[in-house]
Amino acid sequence: DAGVIQSPRHEVTEMGQEVTLRCKPISGHNSLFWYRQTMMRGLELLIYFNNNVPIDDSGMPEDRFSAKMPNASFSTLKIQPSEPRDSAVYFCASSLRELNNEQFFGPGTRLTVL
Amino acid sequence: KQEVTQIPAALSVPEGENLVLNCSFTDSAIYNLQWFRQDPGKGLTSLLLIQSSQREQTSGRLNASLDKSSGRSTLYIAASQPGDSATYLCAAPGGSQGNLIFGKGTKLSVKP
Repeated sequence: DAGVIQSPRHEVTEMGQEVTLRCKPISGHNSLFWYRQTMMRGLELLIYFNNNVPIDDSGMPEDRFSAKMPNASFSTLKIQPSEPRDSAVYFCASSLRELNNEQFFGPGTRLTVL
Repeated sequence: KQEVTQIPAALSVPEGENLVLNCSFTDSAIYNLQWFRQDPGKGLTSLLLIQSSQREQTSGRLNASLDKSSGRSTLYIAASQPGDSATYLCAAPGGSQGNLIFGKGTKLSVKP
């Protein structure tokens, strides 16, 4: 199994640009989570999907952030327009069952907004 | 609201020493607790998942315990090695929706 796949691994962009992060969960997993990690705030949940449906997006910081999961094998997190304070590492994780099973994390996307 | 705290924030030990990392959580109505390892610049690797019905879970030199009544979990690492150097994170469910609340982690350094 390839594990959770994220792309790109690194992204450097200028303020105001649109950024799209991509995630492919582990095959067969039905829950997908987007997290953000910063030095100040640690790891925080942004949004989570179950069976491709967004369940909890209360962690999405602003309307500039949006996430989609068009099918069971692909999800995107979009930031438009990006700001320097969005600089962080964004992780995608998946699990087999939302409540009782382990979450497996991707390698993350390190985003730098200049 | 679930809050997860890990102490110490950093720990340095000589190789071969046994050590304990601590995690506390405020909402004891959890169904499991997960320990992760994070190497610098890398993602999170799941180490152990303890279900609420379990008190301990072991994997190699790692042993994690869970005491829901006191809101505590510990990660015991036996015979530490330099390769164990990393940040260890504990995470507890934030509610019924499946999201995890993470502690800030313990940065472990094992000196050869």
